[in-house]
Amino acid sequence: DTAVSQTPKYLVTQMGNDKSIKCEQNLGHDTMYWYKQDSKKFLKIMFSYNNKELIINETVPNRFSPKSPDKAHLNLHINSLELGDSAVYFCASSQRMAGDTDTQYFGPGTRLTVL
Amino acid sequence: AQSVTQLGSHVSVSEGALVLLRCNYSSSVPPYLFWYVQYPNQGLQLLLKYTSAATLVKGINGFEAEFKKSETSFHLTKPSAHMSDAAEYFCAASGGYNKLIFGAGTRLAVHP
Repeated sequence: DTAVSQTPKYLVTQMGNDKSIKCEQNLGHDTMYWYKQDSKKFLKIMFSYNNKELIINETVPNRFSPKSPDKAHLNLHINSLELGDSAVYFCASSQRMAGDTDTQYFGPGTRLTVL
Repeated sequence: AQSVTQLGSHVSVSEGALVLLRCNYSSSVPPYLFWYVQYPNQGLQLLLKYTSAATLVKGINGFEAEFKKSETSFHLTKPSAHMSDAAEYFCAASGGYNKLIFGAGTRLAVHP
């Protein structure tokens, strides 16, 4: 069973379109995250949710809107896609938010290409 | 602000040779530190983590890392490289609220 899954795995779209990426974890974790990995492999956190509540919101354009319908799901909606949004987006989850020592389990990533 | 520096974006070793991947952190207090591995077209997998219990941390696949406060370092080592170790390796620190702050990554190549 996949612990953290993401759909789709690949997403190719035109500039200006709106798209969503879905993430689900079956680990029973309370906290979920979105990370962006750019073309140079640099990873940066975008958002985190704890039990459906937004905790971390890094300096991300407000075209990006995360939504957590329940603590097992964290989706990422992107409006008005731009060329610079092309990247690999990773979802992750951890048991809890506090303590800073919990292992984060990563999904396989969604490669977004904006043409 | 917390930051993580990985020296060497590419490291190449022969199969059977020592692997040494360098990581330095910048923090006013000793952070919690992690090493993750990313195989091609896959997500990240935890190799090991330092949580202040012991300075020498053993991880999966024969890797270990030593936390040295005086050097603000957390270098990753493996005594003998295997071809299957070829991957991208990321050092990370916790930046509060379990937020991971990653280094730029080191690509490890292993040649026969």
